[in-house]
Amino acid sequence: AQSVTQLGSHVSVSEGALVLLRCNYSSSVPPYLFWYVQYPNQGLQLLLKYTSAATLVKGINGFEAEFKKSETSFHLTKPSAHMSDAAEYFCAVSYTGTASKLTFGTGTRLQVTL
Amino acid sequence: NAGVTQTPKFQVLKTGQSMTLQCAQDMNHEYMSWYRQDPGMGLRLIHYSVGAGITDQGEVPNGYNVSRSTTEDFPLRLLSAAPSQTSVYFCASRETGGSYNEQFFGPGTRLTVL
Repeated sequence: AQSVTQLGSHVSVSEGALVLLRCNYSSSVPPYLFWYVQYPNQGLQLLLKYTSAATLVKGINGFEAEFKKSETSFHLTKPSAHMSDAAEYFCAVSYTGTASKLTFGTGTRLQVTL
Repeated sequence: NAGVTQTPKFQVLKTGQSMTLQCAQDMNHEYMSWYRQDPGMGLRLIHYSVGAGITDQGEVPNGYNVSRSTTEDFPLRLLSAAPSQTSVYFCASRETGGSYNEQFFGPGTRLTVL
């Protein structure tokens, strides 16, 4: 069974500080990994995805994530936080197969303070 | 393109009432799915469809029915609403061909069951 674990339901950083949101996956087959962002009262929007090409993936709004097979991790980072980054972030996993389902983590709410 | 649209945005039901949440997409996506979002639990898959006439259950299907008569529409029916179904419901779609494809989410329906 596939799953993802997001460590920390709430993360608070100062504006300009490094953002690090953690995601570990459990999958018996090579995974596809995604980070989605949800702004208040909105749907989810894709930030970036790993699909077995480059292990360092760059996404929108300055975010990037690195796939580390040895650590079964796919942590999301951004060098310098901005107030507009305040949102909830979800890590998700799926695997090969047209009908494969997307399984989400429980989410991490990012707060950015002045 | 309107993308994925959902109606209504808000709904209040009494226990035992039935209703249908509407979802439509104009991207000609074969794969469509319904999720519910509850605090601290991320998004959980209710039902999904890989094409017109084909539906299957997800992680939490009890109390919900779906049908897929056209590529564009994927309605979710609550048969007899219960307070445990109070949640935010999201519809999503993606291209066929692989689960590595991005899922596009609607804006959500916030449902309260009294």
